[in-house]
Amino acid sequence: ETGVTQTPRHLVMGMTNKKSLKCEQHLGHNAMYWYKQSAKKPLELMFVYSLEERVENNSVPSRFSPECPNSSHLFLHLHTLQPEDSALYLCASSQVGLTTEAFFGQGTRLTVV
Amino acid sequence: RKEVEQDPGPFNVPEGATVAFNCTYSNSASQSFFWYRQDCRKEPKLLMSVYSSGNEDGRFTAQLNRASQYISLLIRDSKLSDSATYLCVVTGGTTDSWGKLQFGAGTQVVVTP
Repeated sequence: ETGVTQTPRHLVMGMTNKKSLKCEQHLGHNAMYWYKQSAKKPLELMFVYSLEERVENNSVPSRFSPECPNSSHLFLHLHTLQPEDSALYLCASSQVGLTTEAFFGQGTRLTVV
Repeated sequence: RKEVEQDPGPFNVPEGATVAFNCTYSNSASQSFFWYRQDCRKEPKLLMSVYSSGNEDGRFTAQLNRASQYISLLIRDSKLSDSATYLCVVTGGTTDSWGKLQFGAGTQVVVTP
């Protein structure tokens, strides 16, 4: 059982749809991350929340909107996506300030049609 | 210059052979180092932490060279199941004291029969 749970695991959406990805961590961590991984490409950091405050936004288009209501939950709201946004979206959590590793959720495989 | 750099490979390794590869990092104040493994279409999972004194976990040996700012991973007696992409992760540093993860792009290892 993973300490980081992502839902849904798979999502197909049209370019005019609005959907949200959910991430929940049960590890007591204080930082959460959204990564995008396109086919055969490295992980791209999208957003970082530390202590529920967004501390990094790597020039991500506004059609992606993160939300972190508390330290255990992270959302990624999607609207008017493009086909090139199809990718694996990974959530991770870690405990900043300590030498602990990050744990990943199993990801949401998103297809935009 | 990328903060964490890896040779993308692929490293084609005969079963039973030894393979080693490095990862360089640019921030001399980095504090924590990890190797992750990512299988195709799956999330990254922690393989091992890297300690200053070097550490071994079964067939895997990790080393840290702070003077030259690189970490290494050596796999002995390679198994077919070792085929994966190995990601180098670095955290911490003067401008990232809150512990942001820095991922390398990964080194692909292919173990052949």
